[in-house]
Amino acid sequence: GDSVTQMEGPVTLSEEAFLTINCTYTATGYPSLFWYVQYPGEGLQLLLKATKADDKGSNKGFEATYRKETTSFHLEKGSVQVSDSAVYFCALSEAARGNKLTFGGGTRVLVKP
Amino acid sequence: DAMVIQNPRYQVTQFGKPVTLSCSQTLNHNVMYWYQQKSSQAPKLLFHYYDKDFNNEADTPDNFQSRRPNTSFCFLDIRSPGLGDAAMYLCATSRDGTSIDEQYFGPGTRLTVT
Repeated sequence: GDSVTQMEGPVTLSEEAFLTINCTYTATGYPSLFWYVQYPGEGLQLLLKATKADDKGSNKGFEATYRKETTSFHLEKGSVQVSDSAVYFCALSEAARGNKLTFGGGTRVLVKP
Repeated sequence: DAMVIQNPRYQVTQFGKPVTLSCSQTLNHNVMYWYQQKSSQAPKLLFHYYDKDFNNEADTPDNFQSRRPNTSFCFLDIRSPGLGDAAMYLCATSRDGTSIDEQYFGPGTRLTVT
C-alpha cells in the first residue's frame, strides 16, 4: 500500500539557517504530493503541492520538487525564521486509493533566535 | 474569509458520556473529512462524506459516527468515549476529492476524557 516516510525530528536550527526535511514515498500509481504545516495548537495548512513528476511547489520561501526517479519530495528553505517553528507533514494522494491523504509521521522544526 | 470552523476548540467529557463535535464550512466544498490526531502523530482518517455519501475507514471503531445534515455542517459523534479517544479531532474539506485537490483543515477540537 501507499506510504510516506519522512525524517524524524526534532530538527533544531538557528535563524537564517538552511532547512531540509527529507520525504520519500511508496505508491502504486502516480500520486499528488503535498507538504502541510501545523503550528502549535492549530490545524494543518497546505504549504505547497506538486501533482506530477518534475513539478516544483513553492510557497513562503519553501520549495519541494517531485522526483519520480527517487520517489522523493524533499522540503527546503534557504533561510528559516523563528516563525517557521512548526510540525511539517509530507503527504500523498492517489486516485487509485480514493484520493485519501496518506501522511508521513511529521517532523518538528524548532528555530532558535 | 471562507473557512472551516470547528466548535468547540476544547471539549472535556466523562468516560462513557456521549459527545458531539461540530464542523462547518463556508467553502461550499463537496467533501468533508474527520481525522483523529493523537499527540506527536500524523492525522488518521476516520471517515469522509462525498456530498451525502458516507465513507467509513475499515479500522474506524463503531464508537465513532458521523452526520452531515447539509453541505455546510458535519458532526462527529462519539457514543461512549474511552480514555484512548482523547485526541485532537480535525475536520477538513476539499472541493471535489480528487487526488490533486488540497484539503482545507479547521483548527481542531481537543478532546479530553476524564
